Amino acid sequence: EPEVTQTPSHQVTQMGQEVILRCVPISNHLYFYWYRQILGQKVEFLVSFYNNEISEKSEIFDDQFSVERPDGSNFTLKIRSTKLEDSAMYFCASNPGQGALEQYFGPGTRLTVT
Amino acid sequence: RKEVEQDPGPFNVPEGATVAFNCTYSNSASQSFFWYRQDCRKEPKLLMSVYSSGNEDGRFTAQLNRASQYISLLIRDSKLSDSATFLCVVNPHTDKLIFGTGTRLQVFP
Repeated sequence: EPEVTQTPSHQVTQMGQEVILRCVPISNHLYFYWYRQILGQKVEFLVSFYNNEISEKSEIFDDQFSVERPDGSNFTLKIRSTKLEDSAMYFCASNPGQGALEQYFGPGTRLTVT
Repeated sequence: RKEVEQDPGPFNVPEGATVAFNCTYSNSASQSFFWYRQDCRKEPKLLMSVYSSGNEDGRFTAQLNRASQYISLLIRDSKLSDSATFLCVVNPHTDKLIFGTGTRLQVFP
């Protein structure tokens, strides 16, 4: 069964550093998403991406964040200058489009900012 | 009012028991509803979509009451492997999914 994959599984970085989290969505899916989950809290939407542009973003997704689909398979989330409060699990998800509503999640990247 | 509200639990039930979880949502324009399960420190996994007429998938039955903005999940014949957090998820007719905080289920032998 096709799956969303994410790398790395765990990233430790120092405050102020840039990080790039990588995702490979399910092949032939058209919609891509990033969510985050701070430890002990609910899953929160960050951004959605379709047809090579952002289609929706949350208040969390400020100027420090950016997304890119650099090629036909990868989807990345960049945090330019990490803060302690960016420590969380970051999940990538994809959706096939064509009226389907379900989103399928990758295993996540645990980001620890020290 | 929270966008999606769930009883956090935990619900501790013996194997074989029937257990029900409830969820309410605040946006009456919401169009799509789901139950996901999440194991500790893992990703949310889609359990089932919830349709207006109610739907069943094996031991799992989901119901939607649009008038009351209420969603339920019933699990029959609980298994040890059902121990997880069950997430009520709503799509408010945009791209994003809005998650509840989840209801924790612990099934014991």
